[in-house]
Amino acid sequence: NAGVTQTPKFQVLKTGQSMTLQCAQDMNHEYMSWYRQDPGMGLRLIHYSVGAGITDQGEVPNGYNVSRSTTEDFPLRLLSAAPSQTSVYFCASSYRRTGGYEQYFGPGTRLTVT
Amino acid sequence: AQTVTQSQPEMSVQEAETVTLSCTYDTSENNYYLFWYKQPPSRQMILVIRQEAYKQQNATENRFSVNFQKAAKSFSLKISDSQLGDTAMYFCAFMKPDYNAGNMLTFGGGTRLMVKP
Repeated sequence: NAGVTQTPKFQVLKTGQSMTLQCAQDMNHEYMSWYRQDPGMGLRLIHYSVGAGITDQGEVPNGYNVSRSTTEDFPLRLLSAAPSQTSVYFCASSYRRTGGYEQYFGPGTRLTVT
Repeated sequence: AQTVTQSQPEMSVQEAETVTLSCTYDTSENNYYLFWYKQPPSRQMILVIRQEAYKQQNATENRFSVNFQKAAKSFSLKISDSQLGDTAMYFCAFMKPDYNAGNMLTFGGGTRLMVKP
């Protein structure tokens, strides 16, 4: 199993540009989520999904859009990039059923907005 | 809403010694889980240890153990016999099981640990 994969690993954008961060998992997990990591603030939840066709907002959703058309994929769209969105982005997935509640994280994408 | 606080932004320890990382949290929930995640320079998030709030016994995983004080809302991580490979950022995280809300995590700000030879 590849686990959780994210592309790209690094990206530089200009203010106002749009882009999509890709996330895929091959573990048939029901839950998927996006976090951003900023110095001193840990990881903060952007959006999450409890299954295909179902998404909801997390703590810091402004400026981001998500959709989940399949169990495997959960892309994150930046609609109009801003310097405040410079961060490291992590995708994560987990099972719905009880037992452990471990989140499996992707390798992250470092995004710089100039 | 839950909050998680890690009051030590940076710590260092000599190789083979023991170090304790602090974490406090605030919640009104009774059923929840607590986690410690390790993030080495590779940036990968690695689960170190987890604790179920209803279990009084402290969790242990090899050289890693926790001191869970539910009444005090404290969840510290002890690393024994520190190794150079333990150098990393460590995050404390809280989760309230909620099938409708995806069992999402609330993280602390992190503690950067350096193990010195």
